[in-house]
This record gives sequence, structure tokens and C-alpha cells, in this order.
Amino acid sequence: GEDVEQSLFLSVREGDSSVINCTYTDSSSTYLYWYKQEPGAGLQLLTYIFSNMDMKQDQRLTVLLNKKDKHLSLRIADTQTGDSAIYFCAELINAGNMLTFGGGTRLMVKP
Amino acid sequence: ETGVTQTPRHLVMGMTNKKSLKCEQHLGHNAMYWYKQSAKKPLELMFVYSLEERVENNSVPSRFSPECPNSSHLFLHLHTLQPEDSALYLCASSPGVTDTQYFGPGTRLTVL
Repeated sequence: GEDVEQSLFLSVREGDSSVINCTYTDSSSTYLYWYKQEPGAGLQLLTYIFSNMDMKQDQRLTVLLNKKDKHLSLRIADTQTGDSAIYFCAELINAGNMLTFGGGTRLMVKP
Repeated sequence: ETGVTQTPRHLVMGMTNKKSLKCEQHLGHNAMYWYKQSAKKPLELMFVYSLEERVENNSVPSRFSPECPNSSHLFLHLHTLQPEDSALYLCASSPGVTDTQYFGPGTRLTVL
């Protein structure tokens, strides 16, 4: 079955870069996503990458995809206190039309 | 972001009550989803509707009953729930089932 795994916590200082990692097992994924969830809120789509790409940059966000190792990462440059949230990676597997989520990484940004 | 709205935002109900959660999307999407987010599990897909037809039902107990009267509205009817059903219920929509999903703010449900 499909499995998406993330570490539970990450703590960084304001102004530093954050790197949130994700591993997945299904090689037939088409898109991989990063969502952000702030306390008491739903999921906000941050960015996504098509499976035939290895990097995507969007302002402070950089997504790296290593298909060989089935590893996805999200780098947030110049992390701010407003970036404190839970970050979910997810993969879309075309065969089942299902979006499978990781357990989420809680990012804490210290002033 | 108000593309996907959910009401109510919070709901407390007893185990014998019947209530409904509502989701509305203003994005012109054709697919809508219900997810359950509980404290100790990853997000769980419950139901998928595409063009008002249910296309996915992940072994969800019958005490949860979805309804999709049109492509803009999705309901989740609840009856005789259990305390372990307490969770955040998230609705999402996408242009098609293979497209990027956009989420609503969720309904925080507490079953007493």
C-alpha cells in the first residue's frame, strides 16, 4: 500500500532556513504536494511539483524531488514566525485517483 | 481564501443526535471530497464525488452518509455517532479527480 512519512517536529530560529522532508513509497505518483495547516484552520495548498520535475521554486519556497529515493523536501528560506504551522506532504497516485497524506510536520519558529 | 466554505465551523453533538455538515465550493470544480483528520492518524479520505456521482468510499461506517445534490454542494449527514468520531472534517474540491485539491477550513466535531 501507499505510505507517506514525515518527521513529527522541526524547530528553527527566525531568519534561518527550514527544510521539511517527506518520503513516499508509490513510484506511480503523478503530483506531489505541500499543504500548510495553521491552528484551527483547514489545509492551504502551498505548492506542488509534477513527478517529472526535480525542483520547483516559488518565492521563499523550494521543492526538491528525488524520484530515485522517493524523497520530497520543502525548503522555506528566511523562516518567519508566521510560518509556524503543520506542513503536510501528499502524493496523488493516478491509478486510484487518491491523495495520500503524510502525518504532518509541526514547524515551530522561535524569535 | 473563500473558494471552499464549510458550515458549521464547530459542532458538538450527542451520540443520539442527527446533524449535517455542509460544504460549498465556488470554484466551478467537478470533484468534491470529505476527509477526516483526527489527532493520532494521518488525513483519511472518506468519500469522493465526481460530477455528483460517488466514486470512492473508503469503508466508512454507515453512520456517515454523504450527499452531493450538485457539483457545488456536498453534505455529510451524521447519525448515532461515537465519541471516537470526534475530529476535524475537511471538505475539498478539485477540477477533476486527478487535479489539485483545495480545502475548506473544516468543521471541528465533538461527539459527547
